[in-house]
Amino acid sequence: GAGVSQSPSNKVTEKGKDVELRCDPISGHTALYWYRQSLGQGLEFLIYFQGNSAPDKSGLPSDRFSAERTGGSVSTLTIQRTQQEDSAVYLCASSLEGLRVSGELFFGEGSRLTVL
Amino acid sequence: SQKIEQNSEALNIQEGKTATLTCNYTNYSPAYLQWYRQDPGRGPVFLLLIRENEKEKRKERLKVTFDTTLKQSLFHITASQPADSATYLCALLNQGGKLIFGQGTELSVKP
Repeated sequence: GAGVSQSPSNKVTEKGKDVELRCDPISGHTALYWYRQSLGQGLEFLIYFQGNSAPDKSGLPSDRFSAERTGGSVSTLTIQRTQQEDSAVYLCASSLEGLRVSGELFFGEGSRLTVL
Repeated sequence: SQKIEQNSEALNIQEGKTATLTCNYTNYSPAYLQWYRQDPGRGPVFLLLIRENEKEKRKERLKVTFDTTLKQSLFHITASQPADSATYLCALLNQGGKLIFGQGTELSVKP
């Protein structure tokens, strides 16, 4: 497809379980971002990958959160030992270049996580 | 502290009128500011970018202004239509190179 693809679109899990969320960016986009959006809230920055540089992890809320990007393409966001406050929509976005060069982010439709 | 603020109250206007949404920020010196549209259950979609050296940018019925002295951007939709109903998010590039979003303002255009 031409857009950013995220899976699963919906995930319901029990407190304490681990979850993995996947993002497939637009082909050729070097930059990839993860944001979190809680109900009625704005987007909270989580992590940013730019090419082969070390990722900017400054937005990850705790060490239960981690992300990797393999081969400069697909990214996986992992949340270990999920808590109810992790319930949110996790949005992935990609851009052709880094934000300092070009600004437009292309977002996926998000993965809605519900922790019971 | 650094803040980016949008009016949290929903904006309700009549079809055909101009909608004006506000984005204020404090303790940032952004190189640019962006506006996105978000429909329920969907990801945000980019609309416009305005740089710090630009006062105004237009695209079809959309107009964005950027006042770095007031630390404010205004987003206008002229001749509004019910299809313009959505949540509109502003975002700015902070000095750390991250795009920081406001909480969004919901716009409802009534026929």
